[in-house]
Amino acid sequence: AQSVTQLGSHVSVSEGALVLLRCNYSSSVPPYLFWYVQYPNQGLQLLLKYTSAATLVKGINGFEAEFKKSETSFHLTKPSAHMSDAAEYFCAVSGAGTALIFGKGTTLSVSS
Amino acid sequence: GAGVSQSPSNKVTEKGKDVELRCDPISGHTALYWYRQRLGQGLEFLIYFQGNSAPDKSGLPSDRFSAERTGESVSTLTIQRTQQEDSAVYLCASSPDPDREQFFGPGTRLTVL
Repeated sequence: AQSVTQLGSHVSVSEGALVLLRCNYSSSVPPYLFWYVQYPNQGLQLLLKYTSAATLVKGINGFEAEFKKSETSFHLTKPSAHMSDAAEYFCAVSGAGTALIFGKGTTLSVSS
Repeated sequence: GAGVSQSPSNKVTEKGKDVELRCDPISGHTALYWYRQRLGQGLEFLIYFQGNSAPDKSGLPSDRFSAERTGESVSTLTIQRTQQEDSAVYLCASSPDPDREQFFGPGTRLTVL
């Protein structure tokens, strides 16, 4: 069985500060891991994905995530937050060929 | 090209009525998924179609929920005898194959009064 835990339902940062959104997973098979972003009143958009290639994955809008098998983590980071990064972020896991299992989401607020 | 589309975008219904939600996947995508997003919660998997295989219905919460897919095209999610707890955003996603990322539609916001 697979599951995802996102630590912190709400994260607030100042513009220009480091963004760190935490995600831990459990999976009985080698996982595929994803981060999606949902802007207000919009659908989900893929930020980045890990599919067993490089452990450091770079995505869109300056985000990246590192797969750490020993810690069963896939935390999302961005060196410098922009106001436009304010959104809800979802971590998800799947085994090959299965539906995504999503975390409950983390709302990122960015203040000027 | 065109993304995943869903209709209607909003649906308000009375408790006990049946509703149908439609999803048009990206052309050529063999995999199609339905998810539910209730207020303040993550996405909950409902059902998954892959080509002509039997669908994975393991996420459907009750027998009031059903879904169909015509070949590798349109899918319809039907909720019978709607209840207030069915109020949510229903999201559809498609993928060119199950090992690739899923592309999401904008969702249908269902409100059951």
